[in-house]
Amino acid sequence: DVKVTQSSRYLVKRTGEKVFLECVQDMDHENMFWYRQDPGLGLRLIYFSYDVKMKEKGDIPEGYSVSREKKERFSLILESASTNQTSMYLCASSLIQYGYTFGSGTRLTVV
Amino acid sequence: EDKVVQSPLSLVVHEGDTVTLNCSYEVTNFRSLLWYKQEKKAPTFLFMLTSSGIEKKSGRLSSILDKKELFSILNITATQTGDSAIYLCAVAGMHGGSQGNLIFGKGTKLSVKP
Repeated sequence: DVKVTQSSRYLVKRTGEKVFLECVQDMDHENMFWYRQDPGLGLRLIYFSYDVKMKEKGDIPEGYSVSREKKERFSLILESASTNQTSMYLCASSLIQYGYTFGSGTRLTVV
Repeated sequence: EDKVVQSPLSLVVHEGDTVTLNCSYEVTNFRSLLWYKQEKKAPTFLFMLTSSGIEKKSGRLSSILDKKELFSILNITATQTGDSAIYLCAVAGMHGGSQGNLIFGKGTKLSVKP
């Protein structure tokens, strides 16, 4: 089975801190995605990547950046965390665009 | 703008009831529609639908797609408390000129009471 691992389940950070969320998949998938999930808003795409060193903005990229130096790892970076970035962050990977496999999520609280 | 709309947003039923969850979409270059179940953690895959009129079944769950009317339904018969979850509908299409990604609805929160 494909496994997508997110490094932290729960994270509390202070406003202004630089935050790194890590995601690793073990099935050589080309495609990786970062979403955030908020009540009443559903899943919203932040960034995605179709290859190493390649990234594309999703629907809400402001305040975020990403890094994909290796195929298996896709990192989401909050350059200067703000309280409105408190959310559940979900990473996903897929070999083609169908049938995503999600990580277990990171619940980030910015205080 | 591409969009996926799910209804209802929340639903409370009793064990044994049958429920129907709805998903309508407007997506450029539709490729497929997917249903996910999300309990406490990450969404887990239920079905992928690409052709109209062909029902997919897994136990008490079934789903069908209507590409002419642009919607799908997810049916759950004889509901159990373990069916309580958020059910997400997502559509794969072209987005922003890229290869595409999944566009999610906001989900339907189903609560099944004993």
